[in-house]
Amino acid sequence: DIQMTQSPSSLSASVGDRVTITCRASQSISGYLNWYQKKPGKAPKLLIFAASSLQGGVPSRFSGSGSGTDFTLTISSLQPEDFATYYCQQSTSTPYTFGQGTKLEIK
Amino acid sequence: QVQLVQSGAEVKKPGASVKVSCKASGYTLTSYGINWVRQAPGQGLEWMGWISGYNGNTNYAQKFQGRVTMTTDTSTSTAYMELRSLRSDDTAVYYCAREPPNDFLTGSYFDYWGQGTLVTVSS
Repeated sequence: DIQMTQSPSSLSASVGDRVTITCRASQSISGYLNWYQKKPGKAPKLLIFAASSLQGGVPSRFSGSGSGTDFTLTISSLQPEDFATYYCQQSTSTPYTFGQGTKLEIK
Repeated sequence: QVQLVQSGAEVKKPGASVKVSCKASGYTLTSYGINWVRQAPGQGLEWMGWISGYNGNTNYAQKFQGRVTMTTDTSTSTAYMELRSLRSDDTAVYYCAREPPNDFLTGSYFDYWGQGTLVTVSS
C-alpha cells in the first residue's frame, strides 16, 4: 500500500496568515492527489483534485501543487471558517490511502 | 442538487452485522461510483472500497475482504455497505462518497459525501 505522510500534524495560525501543508507519498503517484477539509461532525469536503484542480465552489485562496511524491496545499489568507483538519489522499492505486491529517487551529 | 443521505446510527454487539444505506438524489446513480470511507474516533480517514453504480463491480480494500459487501439498488438509487463479524475496533463513522467517472488525467476523487453513519460496536 502507498503510505501518505502529512506535515505538520498540527498547526496554529492566525486569520489572514498564509499556510502551507505538505503531503509526501511513499512512491510516485504522478498527479493523483486530492485534498479534503474535515470539520468535526461534518462530512469531508473536496477542495483540490488531481494535485492542483480547484473543486467547484471552493474559494480561490485554496491552491494545490506538486507531482510525483511531494505535494502542497496552500491557503493564501486564512479565514475563520478554514480552521479544520486537512487530509491528502492518493488515487493512483487501491487501496486509496489518506494522510494522517493536519489539524489547523487558531493561534 | 446532488445529495447522499445515509441511514441512521446503529449499535451492534460484537460478532453481529450492520448494513448502512446511502440514497442518492440529484444525479443518476448508474453514472458514478460510490466509495465507502470510515473514521474511527480520534482517527483519520480509511478507504474501505468502491462499487460501480453502472454494473455493480466492486473493489474492496484487502483489510475488509471477506467481511464487507457493497451493493446498489438502481431502482431506488441506493447504495449499501454491509460489514459482518463486527469488532469493537469497527466503531466508526461510515461515509459514502460519490466518485465521478474515472479520467486518466484527474484520477479518482470523491466530490460528494453522505452525512455519515455512526456505528457503535459494544457488548
